Amino acid sequence: DSGVTQTPKHLITATGQRVTLRCSPRSGDLSVYWYQQSLDQGLQFLIQYYNGEERAKGNILERFSAQQFPDLHSELNLSSLELGDSALYFCASSVEAAPSSYNEQFFGPGTRLTVL
Amino acid sequence: EDQVTQSPEALRLQEGESSSLNCSYTVSGLRGLFWYRQDPGKGPEFLFTLYSAGEEKEKERLKATLTKKESFLHITAPKPEDSATYLCAVQSPYSVGSARQLTFGSGTQLTVLP
Repeated sequence: DSGVTQTPKHLITATGQRVTLRCSPRSGDLSVYWYQQSLDQGLQFLIQYYNGEERAKGNILERFSAQQFPDLHSELNLSSLELGDSALYFCASSVEAAPSSYNEQFFGPGTRLTVL
Repeated sequence: EDQVTQSPEALRLQEGESSSLNCSYTVSGLRGLFWYRQDPGKGPEFLFTLYSAGEEKEKERLKATLTKKESFLHITAPKPEDSATYLCAVQSPYSVGSARQLTFGSGTQLTVLP
């Protein structure tokens, strides 16, 4: 158990819909990363938040957005869903005590999204 | 752009048959090389961090090593419970406005037969 929690575990929805994925980082971790894992793309970085602020974006679609709340939990919002958005979505957290520090990232169990 | 290549894509071993997995990387200033284990449908589980060439780390039957261009994950006398996908990742250098995201390889799917 990494200490990172994600809900829900599974999500089945229809094309065009909007969903919200939730992540709670490990206690004390300030940084949250979101990754998407699909069969043909592997693990791809989407977005990072550090202590409530967006730090950087990766290959995140404009239909996707995220935020990190004062209690440091994070939500990933996916809208206008398409079949191709079906994937495993992971969040990872890292302590990163200083902006320039490097630390391991610990992954949650993931949310499996199926778009029908 | 950071690049990570893992080989082989898949590896089948008999229980007790030792082997090595390879991770080749191209990165402008390595800040960390990470090994993770991932079971089907689960999140990656952190195994090791290596920071500099020549560094080695061990955990049970696993040993990770690092050179300037590649890393190896050595598996000694594997057991069926070691079956999983092993992922290698590198971390981008810090710069203002950048993320310290991990760039992952595509993984090596290891199967250990009893």
